Amino acid sequence: AQSVAQPEDQVNVAEGNPLTVKCTYSVSGNPYLFWYVQYPNRGLQFLLKYITGDNLVKGSYGFEAEFNKSQTSFHLKKPSALVSDSALYFCAVRDMGAGNMLTFGGGTRLMVKP
Amino acid sequence: ETGVTQTPRHLVMGMTNKKSLKCEQHLGHNAMYWYKQSAKKPLELMFVYSLEERVENNSVPSRFSPECPNSSHLFLHLHTLQPEDSALYLCASSQLSGRPDNEQFFGPGTRLTVL
Repeated sequence: AQSVAQPEDQVNVAEGNPLTVKCTYSVSGNPYLFWYVQYPNRGLQFLLKYITGDNLVKGSYGFEAEFNKSQTSFHLKKPSALVSDSALYFCAVRDMGAGNMLTFGGGTRLMVKP
Repeated sequence: ETGVTQTPRHLVMGMTNKKSLKCEQHLGHNAMYWYKQSAKKPLELMFVYSLEERVENNSVPSRFSPECPNSSHLFLHLHTLQPEDSALYLCASSQLSGRPDNEQFFGPGTRLTVL
């Protein structure tokens, strides 16, 4: 069975500093990995995905994520955080053997302070 | 805003009421999903409809009854709910094409409170 872990419930970063939101996964085959962001009172918005190819994936709003197969990780990163990046971030994985079902992590709340 | 809309955005109901949540997608997708998001649990997949047929039902109590009359509309009918059913209910859609990389698009959610 596929699973996703986001080990940090909350990450605090000062504006302008780099940020990292961690995600590790477990799948039986090749992983298809996604990051979503949820702003208050809103649904989830797609940020980026890893399917194959370059391990560094670039997405919306200046975010990027690094796929590391040996560490089964897909950490979300941004070189310089903005206060407006404060939101709830979800990592998700789709296993080829699981049809089109996504398994989501528990979410990490990112707080960027001025 | 995404191409997925949900109504109502907020709903307060008593345990004996019957109500329905509505979801509509304007993206031409052929699959739709209901998720439950609560403070205590991560996103829980409730139901999946593919080409208007239910393909997934994650042991959801029968007091939740989904309906998918066509590929653009999805309903969640609610009756005799419990206070623990209070949560944010999210609808999503995607295009099933045999490729695993198609992301899901989410609506803004319905915040449900059961008194």
